[in-house]
Amino acid sequence: QTVVTQEPSLTVSPGGTVTLTCASSTGAVTSGYYPNWFQQIPGHAPRSLIYTISNKHSWTPARFSGSLLGGKAALTLSGVLPEDEADYYCLLYSGGVWVFGGGTKLTVL
Amino acid sequence: QVQLQESGPGLVKPSETLSLTCTVSGGSINNYHWSWIRQPPGKGLEYIASMYYSGSTNYNPSLKSRVAISVDTSNNQFYLKLNSVTAADTAVYYCARWNNGGDYWGQGTLVTVSS
Repeated sequence: QTVVTQEPSLTVSPGGTVTLTCASSTGAVTSGYYPNWFQQIPGHAPRSLIYTISNKHSWTPARFSGSLLGGKAALTLSGVLPEDEADYYCLLYSGGVWVFGGGTKLTVL
Repeated sequence: QVQLQESGPGLVKPSETLSLTCTVSGGSINNYHWSWIRQPPGKGLEYIASMYYSGSTNYNPSLKSRVAISVDTSNNQFYLKLNSVTAADTAVYYCARWNNGGDYWGQGTLVTVSS
């Protein structure tokens, strides 16, 4: 089964910019992997931010953007706010099954 | 606004079957895929399975032999059954509307496997 790899942890200063990445053990991530990004505040359900690379929901703040970068899916936060401190999970469709990454713990400090 | 609510026993004995219901409100269960995802305490998310309202299914290979999911369009509900549970199945179980990824999620329900 595909292994999806994310940075375990990242730290960013308030107002800064940070990019989280999501890699597949099967090779370069493409649109056919339908990459998704979710935010999870501890104790709460995940919230979808981005679907199919870069599409946003009506509730997704403008400071969040998705892309493909160097063979990986990427989530960029620009103008980070303290409330962005959370766990972030990517999700890929690979080999006919959906697979979550291990998550990135983002600290805003 | 679509809302999902998981329900079911919070405690299941080892070797028994875990059964959960997800009730969908604010929208129809028709024309969408619906999924189950779980999260063991302190760990990451794990995709379990999804089902189109008309019956086609997709399973995590690592759980496929123990999982059954179904949909009841008349009641706007879908279901999860996981048999032969062990302590490793202790987790918060989420249901979600699956639109090439989960857009709407339930709040989750903790299921503990213990005698």
